Amino acid sequence: GIQVEQSPPDLILQEGANSTLRCNFSDSVNNLQWFHQNPWGQLINLFYIPSGTKQNGRLSATTVATERYSLLYISSSQTTDSGVYFCAVGRRGSTLGRLYFGRGTQLTVWP
Amino acid sequence: DSGVTQTPKHLITATGQRVTLRCSPRSGDLSVYWYQQSLDQGLQFLIQYYNGEERAKGNILERFSAQQFPDLHSELNLSSLELGDSALYFCASSVGVDRDYGYTFGSGTRLTVV
Repeated sequence: GIQVEQSPPDLILQEGANSTLRCNFSDSVNNLQWFHQNPWGQLINLFYIPSGTKQNGRLSATTVATERYSLLYISSSQTTDSGVYFCAVGRRGSTLGRLYFGRGTQLTVWP
Repeated sequence: DSGVTQTPKHLITATGQRVTLRCSPRSGDLSVYWYQQSLDQGLQFLIQYYNGEERAKGNILERFSAQQFPDLHSELNLSSLELGDSALYFCASSVGVDRDYGYTFGSGTRLTVV
């Protein structure tokens, strides 16, 4: 399978701060997604971003597929951003549709 | 509401028992995936169905089985339950197989085996 490493494992911020989460993966992929798991356990899809850059409000993501990494940027963080952020990747041609998840980055935002 | 419906939300059962988890995908999605989330293993892929057919199998135990019905809802059956099967079980759906526009996850079923 594909190895997915996320860093940092834990991040503690004060409201208003910016942060960058990183995802490295071990093989070529054509499916990369970022998810947020909130404190109630719900997994929310943030971005489908196998390559390039996308932005959605205070969040943006960049994937450099040739160098096998992706970055998730959170600006002006809010307490509601707390939770675990997962990067997940997939590879078309083998187990189509299957995603390999990293262990996540636990983000805590204090008021 | 994500559009993917999972029932029940919580399940407490004894070792050795059998349970069925149910998932209704988002309208228009043909692919259904099952994942298990535990503290030690993280999010692990179990199985994928596309339009009623099994498409991929991951780390699914032989005691577990799944199917997708003609109306596209899916069921995950867990039998001879052990304490280690306690976990959060997620269902997700997506548009198709060859072009994944992104997963939508259900809210999960929290299974506790006592």
